Amino acid sequence: EAGVAQSPRYKIIEKRQSVAFWCNPISGHATLYWYQQILGQGPKLLIQFQNNGVVDDSQLPKDRFSAERLKGVDSTLKIQPAKLEDSAVYLCASSLVMGASGSGKTQYFGPGTRLLVL
Amino acid sequence: AQSVTQLGSHVSVSEGALVLLRCNYSSSVPPYLFWYVQYPNQGLQLLLKYTSAATLVKGINGFEAEFKKSETSFHLTKPSAHMSDAAEYFCAVSGGGADGLTFGKGTHLIIQP
Repeated sequence: EAGVAQSPRYKIIEKRQSVAFWCNPISGHATLYWYQQILGQGPKLLIQFQNNGVVDDSQLPKDRFSAERLKGVDSTLKIQPAKLEDSAVYLCASSLVMGASGSGKTQYFGPGTRLLVL
Repeated sequence: AQSVTQLGSHVSVSEGALVLLRCNYSSSVPPYLFWYVQYPNQGLQLLLKYTSAATLVKGINGFEAEFKKSETSFHLTKPSAHMSDAAEYFCAVSGGGADGLTFGKGTHLIIQP
């Protein structure tokens, strides 16, 4: 089965510019996550979708970051305007569905988009 | 709130030696625990997970981990290291209503020939 797809793989922009990342989850996976991984750190959850609804966006910097999953499949993460500290790898993951307890489901990760803000 | 502490940002072992990567967690609810591996310029791959069944969990590539509630630990082990095990390893926890993962900072495993 095809894995989680992300594009682009690499992006270099100037600060204050905008950028968008795209993610296509594994077919049939209802839950989609975006993580930010800064060099030397573990990934940090930015936002979680269940179908096209937001489950958790408590760590998303909403003044500059936005994300959508309009049809419950593909998702787009946008940064506008970008800052130097946004340089990171942006990882998309998907899982079948949140369980009754909400936890324990295996998340499958895409290869990530490496963003460099100059 | 949940958190994960991975002791040792870098661990070096000889090929054929025991691998031990340490992970301690903090969670206010019964946790689900995961170990992921990340190779350069790749996404994360699940090694194994604990979801309240057996406390000794076996994963891929000969890795296993033991959940110890009294010690709030979930250390990763492998009896004999291979050169191909060199990578970054992340411990993660989830629990509660949503299932987003909270990751540790990672441990870089170096295998000496």
